[in-house]
Amino acid sequence: SYELTQPPSVSVSPGQTARITCSGDALPKKYAYWYQQKSGQAPVLVIYEDSKRPSGIPERFSGSSSGTMATLTISGAQVEDEADYYCYSPDSSGNQWVFGGGTKLTVL
Amino acid sequence: EVQLVESGGGLVKPGGSLRLSCATSGFTFSNAWMNWVRQAPGKGLEWVGRIKSKTEGGTTDYAAPVKGRFTISRDDSKNTLYLQMNDLKTEDTAVYYCSTGGAAHDYWGQGTLVTVSS
Repeated sequence: SYELTQPPSVSVSPGQTARITCSGDALPKKYAYWYQQKSGQAPVLVIYEDSKRPSGIPERFSGSSSGTMATLTISGAQVEDEADYYCYSPDSSGNQWVFGGGTKLTVL
Repeated sequence: EVQLVESGGGLVKPGGSLRLSCATSGFTFSNAWMNWVRQAPGKGLEWVGRIKSKTEGGTTDYAAPVKGRFTISRDDSKNTLYLQMNDLKTEDTAVYYCSTGGAAHDYWGQGTLVTVSS
């Protein structure tokens, strides 16, 4: 079955840039989506179609994709950005969707 | 305001069945693709499946672990999404979320907990 691979954790100091990667064989042909989930809350979409930002999401959140890797970048991470982040994308058929294992971002 | 409210969770024995509902408001439900996503305690998100809008065929897709046991359906007259879960296993224990959208899940409910245990 298809898998998306993320690092389990990323840690940065406030104001630094956090980068969270997601690798998958179908990413060269499929968009990546990124979700933020804070403790005890439902997920929130922060990036769609590799690099687009929904309304209401701060400009410090950006996304990119190259080859088999997608990257979520948080420029000038804030304490309130501490959360689990998940990438999401389909397999090559487009009918089976998968979340990455999630990355816990610590900002302190 | 968009609202999605899941219900129907609870405790069920292995091999049992349960039907979850997701009542929606604030958007045109009949035009929306809808999803179920679950999260086991302390674990990551797992896509369960989706249903397209009827105008786009109303077809369903499922993740491999639930295919053949779970069925997603919709009642556009009631703006409600359903998840029929049969032959439940202990590994199905999770919070189940409904969400809108084909790929970008714009809106999510708060989830309902399903516990499968003897």
